[in-house]
Amino acid sequence: SQKIEQNSEALNIQEGKTATLTCNYTNYSPAYLQWYRQDPGRGPVFLLLIRENEKEKRKERLKVTFDTTLKQSLFHITASQPADSATYLCAPRSGNTPLVFGKGTRLSVIA
Amino acid sequence: EAQVTQNPRYLITVTGKKLTVTCSQNMNHEYMSWYRQDPGLGLRQIYYSMNVEVTDKGDVPEGYKVSRKEKRNFPLILESPSPNQTSLYFCASRRQGEIIQYFGAGTRLSVL
Repeated sequence: SQKIEQNSEALNIQEGKTATLTCNYTNYSPAYLQWYRQDPGRGPVFLLLIRENEKEKRKERLKVTFDTTLKQSLFHITASQPADSATYLCAPRSGNTPLVFGKGTRLSVIA
Repeated sequence: EAQVTQNPRYLITVTGKKLTVTCSQNMNHEYMSWYRQDPGLGLRQIYYSMNVEVTDKGDVPEGYKVSRKEKRNFPLILESPSPNQTSLYFCASRRQGEIIQYFGAGTRLSVL
């Protein structure tokens, strides 16, 4: 069955450093992969999407990579700030199938 | 403002008392879905709807019903709630053929 793993449940990082979150998937071949941000008690909010033919995508301080050979996506936040503290969810998807999310990584950026 | 609106935001009820959580979107989206989120389990899809009068089961549909009589509304119905349905529920929508999904603010349900 399809499986999505996000590397760690929680990640603590010092302000100003680069945070790197990992999303691994098995038993399917997504055409694209999305990253969402979720704040406590709120709904997820879309951040970035990367397609299978793209190696890297950037948006301001965010960068996403997609390695279909390793079946992995990396999500980077450079120059991290306490306001970046949240849970980040990845969602690989193929075709018109329903969106399935990883369990998320809770990032805490410490001032 | 484009949004997905869920009501109520918080609900405490007792076992067996039927309840409905409403979801409405103002973006004319064809696709709508319901998720529940539990600690350690992440977001799991309950039901989804591709358009009016078209609904289908997600990963965890047991104990839930939905209906899609109008494009903008997608209520979640618990006919006989049980304590294992205590959870945080999210409604989401997107335009057919597009990728980005928009979520409501969530409904925290406690079944005693």
